[in-house]
Amino acid sequence: GQNIDQPTEMTATEGAIVQINCTYQTSGFNGLFWYQQHAGEAPTFLSYNVLDGLEEKGRFSSFLSRSKGYSYLLLKELQMKDSASYLCAPNTGFQKLVFGTGTRLLVSP
Amino acid sequence: EPEVTQTPSHQVTQMGQEVILRCVPISNHLYFYWYRQILGQKVEFLVSFYNNEISEKSEIFDDQFSVERPDGSNFTLKIRSTKLEDSAMYFCASSEAGRGQTEAFFGQGTRLTVV
Repeated sequence: GQNIDQPTEMTATEGAIVQINCTYQTSGFNGLFWYQQHAGEAPTFLSYNVLDGLEEKGRFSSFLSRSKGYSYLLLKELQMKDSASYLCAPNTGFQKLVFGTGTRLLVSP
Repeated sequence: EPEVTQTPSHQVTQMGQEVILRCVPISNHLYFYWYRQILGQKVEFLVSFYNNEISEKSEIFDDQFSVERPDGSNFTLKIRSTKLEDSAMYFCASSEAGRGQTEAFFGQGTRLTVV
């Protein structure tokens, strides 16, 4: 089975740094995706971690620990447009993405 | 930039009617997917499609659902007899490779409302 846990909601202020955690238990694991979804819109790809460690891409970084079943998404220099849901999706090796319920991030001025 | 396109953006249908949701995946992609998202809930996998056949489907994808690639560009989802609980946003996605090796690109979705 699949179990993906993320906080439901987080708040932060413009310019700050926020870390969104994800823990997972899956049957099969090849890596982990992070997607961003603005309300009423489609998910858009942010990052994919296969190996343990930190992957940095501009203001966004993602970390993976396979042994701990843990990942986080780090957002720096927050902007208002970063207000969205952030979806953790382990790659279970099958032809599908299994999404968590997502973390709704609210960025305030 | 290439994108996945879906039509219509919004469809209202009466319970029991058939609907066809249409998608044009990115042209060099080989794997196609349908997902749905009921309002306020998580994105759920429905079906994946490769080489003109279903490669995987979820328990949601029962006999009232079907998918088809009628020509070289379109990918459709048919719901044979819609129910109220089918009301959701339906997302089509495509990827270059399967097994999650590359990211899936999502279309903007079709909001289906069953009344």
